[in-house]
Amino acid sequence: QSALTQPPSASGSPGQSVTISCTGTSSDVGVYNYVSWYQQHPGKAPKLIIYDVNKRPSGVPDRFSGSKSDNTASLTVSGLQAEDEADYFCSSYAGTNNYVFGTGTKVTVL
Amino acid sequence: EVQLVQSGAEVKRPGESLKISCKGSGYRFPFYWVGWVRQMPGKGLEWMGVIYPDDSDARYSPSFQGQVTMSVDKSSSTAYLQWSSLKASDTAMYYCARPVGSYVGYWGQGTRVTVSS
Repeated sequence: QSALTQPPSASGSPGQSVTISCTGTSSDVGVYNYVSWYQQHPGKAPKLIIYDVNKRPSGVPDRFSGSKSDNTASLTVSGLQAEDEADYFCSSYAGTNNYVFGTGTKVTVL
Repeated sequence: EVQLVQSGAEVKRPGESLKISCKGSGYRFPFYWVGWVRQMPGKGLEWMGVIYPDDSDARYSPSFQGQVTMSVDKSSSTAYLQWSSLKASDTAMYYCARPVGSYVGYWGQGTRVTVSS
């Protein structure tokens, strides 16, 4: 199973929005509405911020939103804040306890 | 509160064996799958596989089949990941994680493994 494709980097000024894409195939992103997103700060474990394409766990600000069209999912961070500077990974459920992750995107707050 | 607490960092020589651990608490450990994720330095996340503690049913991703062994000890609510002969390319951070259906809901803090001569 190949990794999902993400842009290596994205950036925006405080208060702006940034959108990260995550491209898979008709065997993962395209077939399941089970895309999740994880935020990882340096030296820390990943943290779930979006699941099932557009659902937010309790405690995650509504500045984070997700969407999906065909084989591509997207994460949008609105109203960028300094603490949003981190690596972001998408993931797709790929059948019975199997998951495929994206290549990761480093978000820089200018 | 669900918690996954992993063992500490390891520094090993090529060819040595290693077993790292992940202790679950705050839930009924035997009845939830536990997975492992590799993150090589500066790279992305890779799903290695999962194990069901109640019957030790282990499922490996193709890239990791035959390279590592997952096991559990139900009595201590601990999952293990082991190598019989480490290679320099095994240098990475390893996370244990608990799937929640369609996503990975809980993560351990990670165990850094360094393999160097």
